[in-house]
Amino acid sequence: DTEVTQTPKHLVMGMTNKKSLKCEQHMGHRAMYWYKQKAKKPPELMFVYSYEKLSINESVPSRFSPECPNSSLLNLHLHALQPEDSALYLCASSQEGASGGARDTQYFGPGTRLTVL
Amino acid sequence: AQSVSQHNHHVILSEAASLELGCNYSYGGTVNLFWYVQYPGQHLQLLLKYFSGDPLVKGIKGFEAEFIKSKFSFNLRKPSVQWSDTAEYFCAVSSGGSYIPTFGRGTSLIVHP
Repeated sequence: DTEVTQTPKHLVMGMTNKKSLKCEQHMGHRAMYWYKQKAKKPPELMFVYSYEKLSINESVPSRFSPECPNSSLLNLHLHALQPEDSALYLCASSQEGASGGARDTQYFGPGTRLTVL
Repeated sequence: AQSVSQHNHHVILSEAASLELGCNYSYGGTVNLFWYVQYPGQHLQLLLKYFSGDPLVKGIKGFEAEFIKSKFSFNLRKPSVQWSDTAEYFCAVSSGGSYIPTFGRGTSLIVHP
C-alpha cells in the first residue's frame, strides 16, 4: 500500500484565519514533505521532515508553520495567508529520507486545494 | 545544481497514436530517474522509476522509459495512447546523493478520442 492521505480536500479561508492541513501515512516512511503546486506547474518543495525532525525549509514565509507530531503525521499550520498562497498543497512521504540517499522514492497524497480570499 | 528539461510543454495526440515525451537532465554523475503522472484534479502518481540495471524500464498503464546515459535522457514512451492518458507528466531526477528530486516543468498531454 502506497497511500498518503490528506485532509481536508478543499479549504477556503480568509486572510485573517488560522487553519491546518493534515497528512498521514502508514507505510513506515521516515521522511515526509510539503509541496506547493500551482496549476500546470511542477510541485515546489516547502519543507522536509526526516525522522520527525525538520531537515529542509525552502525559505518558506513564516505564515506557513509545519509540525510533525509523530512519524506518521504531518501538519501544516496556516495563518495570515495571502491570496497568492492559493494553490494545491501536496504531502509526500518516502521510506528513508536523508539516510536513503538518492534512491528514495516519493509517494504523494491527493492534496488540499486551498483558496485564500 | 541539477536541472531537468522537458522540452515538450504541450502534446496533442489522437487515440492509438504513439507517444514519446522528452526528459533531459544536467548532472553527469549517478542519477535516479522518475516519471510521475497527474490526471486532471488528481495527485501525482509514480509511473516508473530507474535506479540501475536494465536501462529500459517498464511502468504502470503500459508506459516505459529508456535511460540513455550518453544523452542525459530518460524519455517516456507508450506505443498507443488512450483518451484516459490525458494528464500532466512530470520527469524528476535525484542525484549526487540527494534524496530530494528536481522536477521538470511538466508536459501537458491531451488525447483526443
